[in-house]
Amino acid sequence: GENVEQHPSTLSVQEGDSAVIKCTYSDSASNYFPWYKQELGKGPQLIIDIRSNVGEKKDQRIAVTLNKTAKHFSLHITETQPEDSAVYFCAAGPNDYKLSFGAGTTVTVRA
Amino acid sequence: NAGVMQNPRHLVRRRGQEARLRCSPMKGHSHVYWYRQLPEEGLKFMVYLQKENIIDESGMPKERFSAEFPKEGPSILRIQQVVRGDSAAYFCASSPPLAAAVDTQYFGPGTRLTVL
Repeated sequence: GENVEQHPSTLSVQEGDSAVIKCTYSDSASNYFPWYKQELGKGPQLIIDIRSNVGEKKDQRIAVTLNKTAKHFSLHITETQPEDSAVYFCAAGPNDYKLSFGAGTTVTVRA
Repeated sequence: NAGVMQNPRHLVRRRGQEARLRCSPMKGHSHVYWYRQLPEEGLKFMVYLQKENIIDESGMPKERFSAEFPKEGPSILRIQQVVRGDSAAYFCASSPPLAAAVDTQYFGPGTRLTVL
């Protein structure tokens, strides 16, 4: 099955700086790579996703890159704000349904 | 359009009791997934259901756990004879029919189960 590793486990950044989270996966059959943000006491919320036919995708301050050859993908948050503080999860899976999640990165944005 | 709804949000059970967790998918969504999250860990896939069908239950323990998604009503995750190790947050997600983006899953707020 798929095995997703996520680094770092915690990340503290100064407001306005960038945050980068990296994930690797093992199953070359994975074609879908979503990122979720989870705030305390809430369910994960999809913030951006990328599919295997795209190398990079951007949505305002959030961008995701994918390197299928190396089997890794990354989340980039620019101009971080205090409301970006949360736990971020990467996930990987085939096009049908089963997602495997990383262990999460706790991001703290210092004001 | 209401999001995925789960109830109860918090559930406390004593060892040996039964736990029933409910999930109502987003309007128009016909696929439901259940995940379990242990403290400070990522989500682990448990089961994938469509209306009246279990598509994949490979992540669900063989004993005491069952799931259903009837033609009418919410999806139910049932845990019989709960043990302390069942304490976790259980999340439900839903996605649109196959013709749309089937792999875009939207999560509910979760049910936090505590077994005393």
